[in-house]
Amino acid sequence: QVQLVQSGAEVKKPGASVKVSCKASGYTLNIHGITWVRQAPGQGLEWMAWISAYNGNTNYAQRFRGRVTMTTDTSTSTAYMELRSLRSDDTAVYYCARATSHALDIWGQGTMVTVSS
Amino acid sequence: EIVLTQSPATLSLSPGERATLSCRASQSVAGYLAWYQQKPGQAPRLLIYDASNRATGIPARFSGSGSGTDFTLTISSLEPEDLAVYYCHQRSDWPETFGQGTKVEIK
Repeated sequence: QVQLVQSGAEVKKPGASVKVSCKASGYTLNIHGITWVRQAPGQGLEWMAWISAYNGNTNYAQRFRGRVTMTTDTSTSTAYMELRSLRSDDTAVYYCARATSHALDIWGQGTMVTVSS
Repeated sequence: EIVLTQSPATLSLSPGERATLSCRASQSVAGYLAWYQQKPGQAPRLLIYDASNRATGIPARFSGSGSGTDFTLTISSLEPEDLAVYYCHQRSDWPETFGQGTKVEIK
């Protein structure tokens, strides 16, 4: 079936970087985009960025511009999101989601990233 | 950016009752609005896309309506498993944004 499987939990120190992977199965990655959304503990959903897996076009929320890089590898059907210069308020669950022309219809299970000294 | 304001913050209802959740946009999003359900400890799940279309496998008790700036998600007869936080999401303009969520509690 169509699913997105994300990499496991990470613990990082302030100032470090983290790279989260999102492997697609059951469909061809480059047909749709991938959106990244995060959720801080006890908080709501925050839209971070989108990448077209077809041509690599991207769009970012202003607060993440310059600190986030998204890539896709169609040979392995995997999308990646790297967040740099981590701060304690980056502690959150990070989700990837398939972005069709209508909505975010398939979500990964989430990756917990903890930033702590 | 387009701000989505959801109300109420919390809705406490008994099984079988009708739940009405609101999402208001700071400017028109046409029909480019979706609703998601997030149960405790789970990833969000798509319920409604393009304001009024149920996603695959979503029960008929869930319905969406609205256009422009005012949208509604209705659960016609609440079930115990509908305990969740519900988010609206606009894809009309960059950056995409989410509402802050409405928590549905079951009495």
